[in-house]
Amino acid sequence: EAQVTQNPRYLITVTGKKLTVTCSQNMNHEYMSWYRQDPGLGLRQIYYSMNVEVTDKGDVPEGYKVSRKEKRNFPLILESPSPNQTSLYFCASSLGAGELYQPQHFGDGTRLSIL
Amino acid sequence: ELKVEQNPLFLSMQEGKNYTIYCNYSTTSDRLYWYRQDPGKSLESLFVLLSNGAVKQEGRLMASLDTKARLSTLHITAAVHDLSATYFCAVDIRRNNNDMRFGAGTRLTVKP
Repeated sequence: EAQVTQNPRYLITVTGKKLTVTCSQNMNHEYMSWYRQDPGLGLRQIYYSMNVEVTDKGDVPEGYKVSRKEKRNFPLILESPSPNQTSLYFCASSLGAGELYQPQHFGDGTRLSIL
Repeated sequence: ELKVEQNPLFLSMQEGKNYTIYCNYSTTSDRLYWYRQDPGKSLESLFVLLSNGAVKQEGRLMASLDTKARLSTLHITAAVHDLSATYFCAVDIRRNNNDMRFGAGTRLTVKP
């Protein structure tokens, strides 16, 4: 089954404790992206990646890191989480940019609470 | 500043009625997307609009794009309860780069 898998689905942690949210897709998609969703603000893009070793900042990258060492994986890293990063996070992937554009496939979301 | 604005943000409708959700954006783009999100769920792609004048229809939903006016509409015909969800429009602001900006969403409730 084609899917985008995020882990963990839920996490409660404390300020300053490094955490990683993993994202994996099994569709051989080139493009992957991370979003955060907050009430009244819709989805805001954090980082995106056009291919392996190619990443770029989205709208709200501060406080986050990403890496794209393999095509299928795109982890989101919070080096020193703070309470304002409490949010619902989505990972998404799509076939690629340009004329091959396809809509994004979203994971089920990760709800992070930073105390 | 780039803005993607949806109107209305909340919409309560009776079954059988028609209504339109509007998505205005402030930058040049010829790629616009509509997504649906059910409560507690992920986002599901509804439509991809890739050129000026594009119109797509699926069931009771029809989306259109006017790139000159920087406006997309999502029209609901004869609403049914199953359409209750939050609808997002999203704009690709850098062609070929998939740098996406989403609207705040329209929460639609269809009442019997």
